[in-house]
Amino acid sequence: GNSVTQMEGPVTLSEEAFLTINCTYTATGYPSLFWYVQYPGEGLQLLLKATKADDKGSNKGFEATYRKETTSFHLEKGSVQVSDSAVYFCALRGNFGNEKLTFGTGTRLTIIP
Amino acid sequence: EPEVTQTPSHQVTQMGQEVILRCVPISNHLYFYWYRQILGQKVEFLVSFYNNEISEKSEIFDDQFSVERPDGSNFTLKIRSTKLEDSAMYFCASSLPGQGRETQYFGPGTRLLVL
Repeated sequence: GNSVTQMEGPVTLSEEAFLTINCTYTATGYPSLFWYVQYPGEGLQLLLKATKADDKGSNKGFEATYRKETTSFHLEKGSVQVSDSAVYFCALRGNFGNEKLTFGTGTRLTIIP
Repeated sequence: EPEVTQTPSHQVTQMGQEVILRCVPISNHLYFYWYRQILGQKVEFLVSFYNNEISEKSEIFDDQFSVERPDGSNFTLKIRSTKLEDSAMYFCASSLPGQGRETQYFGPGTRLLVL
């Protein structure tokens, strides 16, 4: 079945540091890939997505590129802010009529001023 | 901006009691989902619902669980006889029909505690 493997946390960075959170996946066919973010006390918010190979999703300074050759969708940001502190989830949605999202374990990110 | 809403935000119940978790999906969405997240664990899919019937369900979604769209706006998850291990955050999600289907929008969740 489908699975997502995500970089274990927690991750602590200083403000303005470069961020990478690794995500790799296993799926048949051509899944869609997502990053969701969960701020403290809130629900899951879609951060960005990519629906086919070599697509780059981007939002709020975050980027991730759908790499089919390495089955990866790593999240990056060039300069993090304290407000980026949250839990980040990588997820995939299969095709062939499979609607459900399969999530990674989540990575807790803390940015210190 | 339209959003998915969920009530209650927190619920405490005794083992063996029935609970109903409520969701109001985004109004023009036609696909509806429930997920749960046990504390410290992954977000797990429970069930998807379309056209007034379940389209997919996971192994977790056994006979103790049911879903319903009782009217044009609400989408509910019922747990008939709660167990301690049902304690989790329950998220509702919805998505558009057609090409927008791949993007699911989540509510803020209901934290269920079974004692």
